[in-house]
Amino acid sequence: NAGVTQTPKFQVLKTGQSMTLQCAQDMNHEYMSWYRQDPGMGLRLIHYSVGAGITDQGEVPNGYNVSRSTTEDFPLRLLSAAPSQTSVYFCASSYSESQPQHFGDGTRLSIL
Amino acid sequence: GDSVTQMEGPVTLSEEAFLTINCTYTATGYPSLFWYVQYPGEGLQLLLKATKADDKGSNKGFEATYRKETTSFHLEKGSVQVSDSAVYFCALSDQSGTDRDDKIIFGKGTRLHILP
Repeated sequence: NAGVTQTPKFQVLKTGQSMTLQCAQDMNHEYMSWYRQDPGMGLRLIHYSVGAGITDQGEVPNGYNVSRSTTEDFPLRLLSAAPSQTSVYFCASSYSESQPQHFGDGTRLSIL
Repeated sequence: GDSVTQMEGPVTLSEEAFLTINCTYTATGYPSLFWYVQYPGEGLQLLLKATKADDKGSNKGFEATYRKETTSFHLEKGSVQVSDSAVYFCALSDQSGTDRDDKIIFGKGTRLHILP
């Protein structure tokens, strides 16, 4: 039982490059979300989805896009990376937005 | 809106010491409360939860009691081990609140260091 799988685990980008952080879950959860974790800031919600075909913005959505074409996958796209997006990114899923969430192990992203 | 405030770290203790990490909350309804733990290099894991006033959540020797009168959910452990070194997050979800937002709200986390 894999749970929530994030790839890659580490990535270094140059300013202006684009990339997609992958997230997949095998628990048939409807709710999925992306957070970024920065020192002293805790977890900040970027985007979330309550089901396939439905996405919405969280607290810090600027510079990020998401899509949810299937229940299992919820990729996060950086269209033009900026140094301010250097962070650790976590994907999470749960049966609903109020239920305890299952987290992936994170993607550590550095933007030079 | 709803919010969670937890004590700032880092907290450094010796092995076998008693641990308390304070957490207080504000909510418009009757939230469920959670503690998550994040070990180095990993994502958050649910440690324990409580869904109504006076409930006590417990797991791995950790306990927390839902105190509605003081809006608190302090995390305690009687004798910590080096392996408890991690970051601990208090969180709530408020399905009954007036702001109609059910999403889980996290505190900023408290880093715990246990010295052998």
